[in-house]
Amino acid sequence: AQSVSQHNHHVILSEAASLELGCNYSYGGTVNLFWYVQYPGQHLQLLLKYFSGDPLVKGIKGFEAEFIKSKFSFNLRKPSVQWSDTAEYFCAVNAGAAGNKLTFGGGTRVLVKP
Amino acid sequence: GAGVSQSPSNKVTEKGKDVELRCDPISGHTALYWYRQSLGQGLEFLIYFQGNSAPDKSGLPSDRFSAERTGGSVSTLTIQRTQQEDSAVYLCASSWGVNTEAFFGQGTRLTVV
Repeated sequence: AQSVSQHNHHVILSEAASLELGCNYSYGGTVNLFWYVQYPGQHLQLLLKYFSGDPLVKGIKGFEAEFIKSKFSFNLRKPSVQWSDTAEYFCAVNAGAAGNKLTFGGGTRVLVKP
Repeated sequence: GAGVSQSPSNKVTEKGKDVELRCDPISGHTALYWYRQSLGQGLEFLIYFQGNSAPDKSGLPSDRFSAERTGGSVSTLTIQRTQQEDSAVYLCASSWGVNTEAFFGQGTRLTVV
């Protein structure tokens, strides 16, 4: 069965710092990859997605992620965070026999100090 | 509709009672998912409907949980004989189908007392 792991449960950083959140998945076939974000009190929304093509994908609000197939990774990055990036971030994958079932990682809570 | 709609937004129920949670997906979306988000936990997959195919129920935690989707649109998640460990936020999402992004509703916060 496919699984997704996010390395950090909590990240605290200051404004203007760079952010990188790790995501690894276990599945050997073709995958679709997603990062979702949940701001305090809001519903989950898509940050970015990878289906095929350029492994470096750009998302909203200055976020990007790089798909490295050999490492089964899809790490999320932002060069300079803002206080408004305080949120919980979830990596998700759907693949193979699981069809369109989205499997999520455990999430990473990010706190940006002003 | 404009987005995925879930009702109620909050539900407090007594242990042992049955509850029904409703999800209205985005119009035209063929796929519908239910997830559970417990405090400090990630998103736990419960069930997935895709068109007329048999639903993937592999995530339902016990036979107290069931879900149906009528007419390929609205879905109801039913929890029978609720237990305190059922307390969580239940999220519904929908998508156009295979290999497309899912859009989430605001969720139903269920509290079993």
